[in-house]
Amino acid sequence: GQQLNQSPQSMFIQEGEDVSMNCTSSSIFNTWLWYKQDPGEGPVLLIALYKAGELTSNGRLTAQFGITRKDSFLNISASIPSDVGIYFCAGRRSNMLTFGGGTRLMVKP
Amino acid sequence: EAQVTQNPRYLITVTGKKLTVTCSQNMNHEYMSWYRQDPGLGLRQIYYSMNVEVTDKGDVPEGYKVSRKEKRNFPLILESPSPNQTSLYFCASSKLASSSYEQYFGPGTRLTVT
Repeated sequence: GQQLNQSPQSMFIQEGEDVSMNCTSSSIFNTWLWYKQDPGEGPVLLIALYKAGELTSNGRLTAQFGITRKDSFLNISASIPSDVGIYFCAGRRSNMLTFGGGTRLMVKP
Repeated sequence: EAQVTQNPRYLITVTGKKLTVTCSQNMNHEYMSWYRQDPGLGLRQIYYSMNVEVTDKGDVPEGYKVSRKEKRNFPLILESPSPNQTSLYFCASSKLASSSYEQYFGPGTRLTVT
């Protein structure tokens, strides 16, 4: 099965900095989802995007559904230590979700 | 509290010994799914179910079986586990609607096959 290309694989940033990560695919998806996974836990949904071009915010998080429906990005503004974790994008086509490889975010206080 | 539960959370077993990982959700969701998570590969879908008695293969179904006899339960069965099935497994559920594919994940089951 196809996997989404998620980048960067890891980021080590200073508290207060903004963060940007993205996912790209050679195929079209109908829905893009962004999840965060804390150590020892399952992924938790952050943002869901349903229309091409859609820009959605959830607190300090902003995500966009690419116009071509083949990509999505997630921005985190003014990062804080609790933002540490692994962020996954996921694209939905038909009844299946395909996940990116994850972006490991580390925040230095 | 709305949740997806999995049991056991940790399991160490030997090659060839059949095992079952249970998954249960209390949100009356139609859609349930199993994933495995391996370093650098993200989550890969093993099987999913659209409703009772309806199951389909995901991206990596080989070596796994599932059943959906009740809406709330979706067990994952490894008839003859092998070391390459050592992984972190997640169950997830969601409503089944074109506008909502927001899957909610269980806490995970870490399986080691020796």
